[in-house]
Amino acid sequence: DTEVTQTPKHLVMGMTNKKSLKCEQHMGHRAMYWYKQKAKKPPELMFVYSYEKLSINESVPSRFSPECPNSSLLNLHLHALQPEDSALYLCASSPRDSSNQPQHFGDGTRLSIL
Amino acid sequence: GNSVTQMEGPVTLSEEAFLTINCTYTATGYPSLFWYVQYPGEGLQLLLKATKADDKGSNKGFEATYRKETTSFHLEKGSVQVSDSAVYFCALGSGNTPLVFGKGTRLSVIA
Repeated sequence: DTEVTQTPKHLVMGMTNKKSLKCEQHMGHRAMYWYKQKAKKPPELMFVYSYEKLSINESVPSRFSPECPNSSLLNLHLHALQPEDSALYLCASSPRDSSNQPQHFGDGTRLSIL
Repeated sequence: GNSVTQMEGPVTLSEEAFLTINCTYTATGYPSLFWYVQYPGEGLQLLLKATKADDKGSNKGFEATYRKETTSFHLEKGSVQVSDSAVYFCALGSGNTPLVFGKGTRLSVIA
């Protein structure tokens, strides 16, 4: 069982919809991450939160809006997405914001944009 | 910058065969090295890690040794099972820079 929980597991939305992806961890980790993974590719980093503050934004389009309400929760708000945004969205956490520490991943949300 | 080069797949093996997946890296400083595994329909799971030269990471019969002299971290398993079929990612982490992944190697084990 994964210690990082992501909901929903699947999401289909139109280009004009607004939806949110949710991620939760209760390991006391202070760094949380959003990744995008296309088929047969490695994950691509989107955002990093450290102690509930955004520390890295990898030039992600503004139609993706992250939010970290508290140390256990991470949201990704979606608006006016494009078909090329269809992908698996993975959340991860680690004890601190240092890539020397292993990251724990959720099972992802598979997003399809119609 | 930091980078990871991983052997291209797919790799197809018979059950009980020996597995090697090659991984080499380029980095400044003293990175940590990881192998992650992704089973179909799931996220990535940490398989093993090594934080300094000559460290050997091991888990579930898999092993990898951090070789600074050859900048390598090859994944090995003596006898693979059908349940090991998955995509394997080599990754490098160093301080405040983002985790760097290799392209992934798809392994299929047939009975």
